[in-house]
Amino acid sequence: EPEVTQTPSHQVTQMGQEVILRCVPISNHLYFYWYRQILGQKVEFLVSFYNNEISEKSEIFDDQFSVERPDGSNFTLKIRSTKLEDSAMYFCASSEGVGEGGTDTQYFGPGTRLTVL
Amino acid sequence: AQSVSQHNHHVILSEAASLELGCNYSYGGTVNLFWYVQYPGQHLQLLLKYFSGDPLVKGIKGFEAEFIKSKFSFNLRKPSVQWSDTAEYFCAVNALTGRRALTFGSGTRLQVQP
Repeated sequence: EPEVTQTPSHQVTQMGQEVILRCVPISNHLYFYWYRQILGQKVEFLVSFYNNEISEKSEIFDDQFSVERPDGSNFTLKIRSTKLEDSAMYFCASSEGVGEGGTDTQYFGPGTRLTVL
Repeated sequence: AQSVSQHNHHVILSEAASLELGCNYSYGGTVNLFWYVQYPGQHLQLLLKYFSGDPLVKGIKGFEAEFIKSKFSFNLRKPSVQWSDTAEYFCAVNALTGRRALTFGSGTRLQVQP
């Protein structure tokens, strides 16, 4: 069964550094998403991406975040200047894009644990 | 803004016991409802979903959930749990307004003792 994959599984970085988290969505999916879960808190939506542009974003997704589909398979989340509070598990997801609104199922990757020191 | 509440944070059951996990959401319009499960060391997987129609939906591994619109609830049930059901369970909602972002509850950790 096709799966969403993410690399690396764990990233440690210094505050102020840039990080890029990578995801390979399921190949025939059209919508891509990033969520994050700070330890002990809820999974929170960051951004969705369709047709090479952002389709939705949350208040969390400010100017220090960006997303990109650099080629036909990868989907990346860049955090430009990391802060301590960016430490979290970051989940990538993808969906086929069929149906109205959010009726299609989002398939999640295993996550990247980001630790900012 | 939508929000999702899961009141049971940690549930401990013996094998063969029945399970019911609560999920309430706060949104007045039409919603899509989901239950995801995360087994230890694994990624979030969809258990079941409700969009419309029969409010009692059946998912994988013997799970079912009932949508009660008047109570803004979507509780997850299983008549007889197994040790392998030990996992964290997340309820999620999105509004049928063209948005795709999921709003998650805080999760319920289920521990099934053999």
